Amino acid sequence: GAGVSQTPSNKVTEKGKYVELRCDPISGHTALYWYRQSLGQGPEFLIYFQGTGAADDSGLPNDRFFAVRPEGSVSTLKIQRTERGDSAVYLCASSPTGGPGNTIYFGEGSWLTVV
Amino acid sequence: AQSVAQPEDQVNVAEGNPLTVKCTYSVSGNPYLFWYVQYPNRGLQFLLKYITGDNLVKGSYGFEAEFNKSQTSFHLKKPSALVSDSALYFCAVRPTNSGYALNFGKGTSLLVTP
Repeated sequence: GAGVSQTPSNKVTEKGKYVELRCDPISGHTALYWYRQSLGQGPEFLIYFQGTGAADDSGLPNDRFFAVRPEGSVSTLKIQRTERGDSAVYLCASSPTGGPGNTIYFGEGSWLTVV
Repeated sequence: AQSVAQPEDQVNVAEGNPLTVKCTYSVSGNPYLFWYVQYPNRGLQFLLKYITGDNLVKGSYGFEAEFNKSQTSFHLKKPSALVSDSALYFCAVRPTNSGYALNFGKGTSLLVTP
């Protein structure tokens, strides 16, 4: 498809388990972003990649969260030792470059529920 | 710090009437401002953005927004609301002099009644 693709669309996991969320950005987009959206809130920035490197990871809440983008395209958000407070929608987005005037396009999100 | 505020949790409008969803911003330097819409259980869809130039920006689905530097506002408007416009609307700011991330407001729920 032409848009940002995220898998899985829904994930239910038990507290303490490890979770991976995948994002396939729009073809050719070098900038990739992860956001987290809790119920009733606006999206919160987690991490930004320019190419393969994390240019800004200041939004990652703690060291249980990690993201990679090894080939500069697909990215994986990894959450270790999940907690109930991690339950949220995880949104991935991409833009042609990291320039501030570029439009950022979002995927449909991965709904994570930790029970 | 850069941020946006959406002072209204919900806006109710009758179909056919004009609508306004408010947004104010606080940044150091010149801002890039964005509006996104989110339908139930869906991702965010881009509506429009202000980069520079004309203060009135036109976007998707008949929406427009007016950038007002003196009032630090970027209100979203539409001359005639449709029931299908009912959704969650997010304002976001991206400073031009630092950082890369969009900072979002908490959102405003728009309900258009027939």
